[in-house]
Amino acid sequence: QKEVEQDPGPLSVPEGAIVSLNCTYSNSAFQYFMWYRQYSRKGPELLMYTYSSGNKEDGRFTAQVDKSSKYISLFIRDSQPSDSATYLCAMSAPGSTLGRLYFGRGTQLTVWP
Amino acid sequence: GAGVSQSPRYKVTKRGQDVALRCDPISGHVSLYWYRQALGQGPEFLTYFNYEAQQDKSGLPNDRFSAERPEGSISTLTIQRTEQRDSAMYRCASSHGTGIDGYTFGSGTRLTVV
Repeated sequence: QKEVEQDPGPLSVPEGAIVSLNCTYSNSAFQYFMWYRQYSRKGPELLMYTYSSGNKEDGRFTAQVDKSSKYISLFIRDSQPSDSATYLCAMSAPGSTLGRLYFGRGTQLTVWP
Repeated sequence: GAGVSQSPRYKVTKRGQDVALRCDPISGHVSLYWYRQALGQGPEFLTYFNYEAQQDKSGLPNDRFSAERPEGSISTLTIQRTEQRDSAMYRCASSHGTGIDGYTFGSGTRLTVV
């Protein structure tokens, strides 16, 4: 079992839809949670960062962390065609592996006009 | 520099040859990371540096892989005696501190071993 599981999709939604992207994880030591967006043929770029449990909102994006369920989510409101990309969750644990990120495999999202 | 720069952008090499991949991080970023990303997968950790010190190399697949960052800036990932299974996108990233609030990734080097 991989430490971070993410459904690869693909996910296809119409413009304006609410998108929900999710990851589960097995390592209870993870404390730092990130979402990256990766456009085709580009490197991943940081979208959201959260620490421990709770919600964080940034414009149309909301990140949620439920540590009791080992489950994190990214919600995209009023989705746009420009949101079409692969979304990767990533997480890290404190201690000696603090700098190391564990990534999910990514969910491919297409938003059609 | 403005971003993380990697070179070459593409590298095709014959099996058994050695390759060196270069990463130039964002100026002032103390931490530098190497990841490998297969098609349809997320990045997989290889190693990371804090300044010139290699903090964690537990992700390097075997002893054919090595990395250095001698002056705490530019880093080189070297793969000796390349094998076809080494073919992948190799990505470098850098961050101000520990990277727990995110990295900046480069565009990567696409390595193909034939």
